[in-house]
Amino acid sequence: KNQVEQSPQSLIILEGKNCTLQCNYTVSPFSNLRWYKQDTGRGPVSLTIMTFSENTKSNGRYTATLDADTKQSSLHITASQLSDSASYICVVISSNDYKLSFGAGTTVTVRA
Amino acid sequence: DADVTQTPRNRITKTGKRIMLECSQTKGHDRMYWYRQDPGLGLRLIYYSFDVKDINKGEISDGYSVSRQAQAKFSLSLESAIPNQTALYFCATSDSWDGLEQYFGPGTRLTVT
Repeated sequence: KNQVEQSPQSLIILEGKNCTLQCNYTVSPFSNLRWYKQDTGRGPVSLTIMTFSENTKSNGRYTATLDADTKQSSLHITASQLSDSASYICVVISSNDYKLSFGAGTTVTVRA
Repeated sequence: DADVTQTPRNRITKTGKRIMLECSQTKGHDRMYWYRQDPGLGLRLIYYSFDVKDINKGEISDGYSVSRQAQAKFSLSLESAIPNQTALYFCATSDSWDGLEQYFGPGTRLTVT
């Protein structure tokens, strides 16, 4: 059973536009959440980490938010570039057993 | 990430064959992991190792075995490959206390016919 659900499964946006990816989790008790970017044919690379006490964190044009009460996180991409085309994976860790739960990812395609 | 390398990058094999996927890292991390990735599914953990003497099964270890030959090397074996083991396999390392920050290799695309 997948405890991390991401939406949408895929999306297409025009270069320069913004988009928001969603991650809902049921992992409990919650410890940390991390967003990864996976380019086609490559391994995932960490973008940002969100801890229980953090609401918002930015990494360049990427901004992650976390609502630990509703168990939701989002990743906002601002002024998208062609290089943002990738799969974005949400990963959550439980403070109970420190097992990682991976979402299936959202595939973002940025078109010129 | 060049610090984590996987060989081979692509492999086609037949049902019943034994195959080994190798992972090497120069990051000096103690923790190493093997995952498989299938379309529409999240990464699933096969095996993980916290040091040379510590090997642990993940959620989908059946049909797989591993060997931690050294801190830098962690190999995954399919003793008798079957078609539903066709997938993208990733090795990862970590030195974070919770294992959440992981460094992934480039992946091995395995096809079992």
